[in-house]
Amino acid sequence: NAGVTQTPKFRVLKTGQSMTLLCAQDMNHEYMYWYRQDPGMGLRLIHYSVGEGTTAKGEVPDGYNVSRLKKQNFLLGLESAAPSQTSVYFCASRYGTSVYQETQYFGPGTRLLVL
Amino acid sequence: SQKIEQNSEALNIQEGKTATLTCNYTNYSPAYLQWYRQDPGRGPVFLLLIRENEKEKRKERLKVTFDTTLKQSLFHITASQPADSATYLCALPPPSSSGAGSYQLTFGKGTKLSVIP
Repeated sequence: NAGVTQTPKFRVLKTGQSMTLLCAQDMNHEYMYWYRQDPGMGLRLIHYSVGEGTTAKGEVPDGYNVSRLKKQNFLLGLESAAPSQTSVYFCASRYGTSVYQETQYFGPGTRLLVL
Repeated sequence: SQKIEQNSEALNIQEGKTATLTCNYTNYSPAYLQWYRQDPGRGPVFLLLIRENEKEKRKERLKVTFDTTLKQSLFHITASQPADSATYLCALPPPSSSGAGSYQLTFGKGTKLSVIP
């Protein structure tokens, strides 16, 4: 049981390049999330999904797109990377919306540097 | 919108002492509050959840209190050890009136705890 995994661990991009970050979970969780974490800003929600085929915007969605074609995978795309998107990206998942299911499980993070 | 404040960016404490971290929130009454631990270069890990009708919750050397009148949660680590050194995050769900759903969390910026041998 690997939990939540993220690919890649580290990436350097040039301004204007595109890339996709992959998040996978093997816990059969319904909900998945993408956060970014910047010094002094804490964790901020980019996009989230409440089930296969669904996505929704979080606090800081601009410049990012997401897709959840399979329940276990949640993809975060940067179409045209900007230096302001330099950050550490965390994926998280949660089993369901019921009481006693509120815990989020985080992946190890992807460190992205945009030059 | 709700605001979460962890009012110490960093806390240094001597090994063996009790560390106390604070999480304050404004503007609403959350149904629960969570605490996470984050080590450098790693993702946050869930520690404890306390609900609005619970005053206190314990797990081994950890204790969390929840004062809905003061709008504050205290996170205590007793008999602290150097291995407890990490950043601790509190997190709350959105107000039920916000329409944001109960499945999101808003995180505080964290308190970096250093336990000195």
